[in-house]
Amino acid sequence: DAGVTQSPTHLIKTRGQQVTLRCSPKSGHDTVSWYQQALGQGPQFIFQYYEEEERQRGNFPDRFSGHQFPNYSSELNVNALLLGDSALYLCASSWLGAGNIQYFGAGTRLSVL
Amino acid sequence: KQEVTQIPAALSVPEGENLVLNCSFTDSAIYNLQWFRQDPGKGLTSLLLIQSSQREQTSGRLNASLDKSSGRSTLYIAASQPGDSATYLCAVRGGSNTGKLIFGQGTTLQVKP
Repeated sequence: DAGVTQSPTHLIKTRGQQVTLRCSPKSGHDTVSWYQQALGQGPQFIFQYYEEEERQRGNFPDRFSGHQFPNYSSELNVNALLLGDSALYLCASSWLGAGNIQYFGAGTRLSVL
Repeated sequence: KQEVTQIPAALSVPEGENLVLNCSFTDSAIYNLQWFRQDPGKGLTSLLLIQSSQREQTSGRLNASLDKSSGRSTLYIAASQPGDSATYLCAVRGGSNTGKLIFGQGTTLQVKP
């Protein structure tokens, strides 16, 4: 059984560009959460998706948006990239009916130059 | 606003020592608390989850305690090994209807052979 998978592993972009990160949840999970982890910091909650809708959102600007597909996979989109968006982006999946305990993927390392 | 703090930020010990990592949180109204391990540049591996009604959880050489009233949790690692070297993060969840985990900044542990 594959766990949470994220793609790509690494990504390099320049300021002002747009980026899309992808996440496939663990089998049987219906909920996807996204976190941003800057170097040396703990992860910060971006948002959570359930039934293809944004269920909860953290303190991130509208440049950060997401989507969940009918197969429960998810995308994180970031527009107008800033240098400060450089971070490890973590996806976590869970089953809302089982206490929403989150399992994390290996992350996507985004570097903005 | 919930804030999570971990002390110390970094710790270096010789192999075989027993050690304690600390986590404190400002709002005692939590649903559960979770300890994670993160290897450099990697995702998060869940170690222990303590529900708000529990006092401690154990897994192998790891023991986590929770004191909600004082806003504290500790992770005890017995007989440390070089393979325990990693960053340890604690995270709290505020309620059963929220998927948001609030993380501390982590403690980076180095166990020297």
